[in-house]
Amino acid sequence: SQKIEQNSEALNIQEGKTATLTCNYTNYSPAYLQWYRQDPGRGPVFLLLIRENEKEKRKERLKVTFDTTLKQSLFHITASQPADSATYLCALAKNYGQNFVFGPGTRLSVLP
Amino acid sequence: DVKVTQSSRYLVKRTGEKVFLECVQDMDHENMFWYRQDPGLGLRLIYFSYDVKMKEKGDIPEGYSVSREKKERFSLILESASTNQTSMYLCASGGGGDTEAFFGQGTRLTVV
Repeated sequence: SQKIEQNSEALNIQEGKTATLTCNYTNYSPAYLQWYRQDPGRGPVFLLLIRENEKEKRKERLKVTFDTTLKQSLFHITASQPADSATYLCALAKNYGQNFVFGPGTRLSVLP
Repeated sequence: DVKVTQSSRYLVKRTGEKVFLECVQDMDHENMFWYRQDPGLGLRLIYFSYDVKMKEKGDIPEGYSVSREKKERFSLILESASTNQTSMYLCASGGGGDTEAFFGQGTRLTVV
């Protein structure tokens, strides 16, 4: 069956460290994968998109990798800050389809 | 500033009532989506629409219907609300293929 998993429900790290979040999928062949941030009581906000032919994408302190052989994406936040505390969702496109399927999310807490 | 606006932040309805959730976007997007979000289950797609008067079932359409009479407006209808439809409902637009999705602020629906 098709499945998307994110490494853990919650992740605590110390301020200044690099946070690494994992998204694994099975029985999908996504052309694109996206990462979103969601704060409590709010809708998700888009962060980054990476295509199947791209290995890595960066935006300021954020970095995303995409390994279609391992069926895995890694999301890194360097020099993490308490303001980075939120739930992070990965979403993958169903082939070249118009809709996305979301992972369950990882709740990141950056401790001062 | 681009916007997806959902008509209500909080709603309380009685079992058996017909419930309308409204969503309006101002970005001239062709694609619009309705998701529900529940703890531990993540975001699940109920319905999406890729054009006016067009709709496609998502992963959990049972008990729901949708209406898209105008490009900017996408309505979710609970024909006869039940307690298991208590959830956070999120509307989104865009998100086709390699473009990001813009989410509304969400409607927390409680069915009693």
